[in-house]
Amino acid sequence: DVKVTQSSRYLVKRTGEKVFLECVQDMDHENMFWYRQDPGLGLRLIYFSYDVKMKEKGDIPEGYSVSREKKERFSLILESASTNQTSMYLCANAGGQNYGYTFGSGTRLTVV
Amino acid sequence: GQSLEQPSEVTAVEGAIVQINCTYQTSGFYGLSWYQQHDGGAPTFLSYNGLDGLEETGRFSSFLSRSDSYGYLLLQELQMKDSASYFCAVYMDSNYQLIWGAGTKLIIKP
Repeated sequence: DVKVTQSSRYLVKRTGEKVFLECVQDMDHENMFWYRQDPGLGLRLIYFSYDVKMKEKGDIPEGYSVSREKKERFSLILESASTNQTSMYLCANAGGQNYGYTFGSGTRLTVV
Repeated sequence: GQSLEQPSEVTAVEGAIVQINCTYQTSGFYGLSWYQQHDGGAPTFLSYNGLDGLEETGRFSSFLSRSDSYGYLLLQELQMKDSASYFCAVYMDSNYQLIWGAGTKLIIKP
């Protein structure tokens, strides 16, 4: 089974800090995604990537950037953290025949 | 615009059967999938329907009617551990990008 690992389960950062959220997959899947999930707002796509060094904006890319230097790693960067970026961040990948996404366990980020 | 509609909450009794409906209006359609998410956890993939009809996986089944832009998830022999949120999601094309519904919270009573 594909495993997607997010580096931190919980993070607390200060306003204005640069924050890196790391996501690593252990299979050779091209497609990787970053979402944030907030109560009542469901899953919202921030960025996605179909290949190394390739990135596409999702629905809410403002305040975020991403990096995909290697196929297995897709990083989300908060350039200058703000309190409205307090959220659950979920990384996922896809590439199997059943079209299913495999999600990491999530990072609950609190910006104070 | 793109939209998926599913009930916000459904209540059922342990041991019973429950159906969670999903209707969609999207500019493209490649397939419909379902995910389960327990409180505090990440979504997990349940099923995918690319063609009309019923797909069965143990106690869970998923149905798709492309002509009606409609699908449902059927959960049988409900167990307390099935208490979770269930999301339908539409693939617009073969590139794996999903449009998500807002989720249905399933509450199971003993």
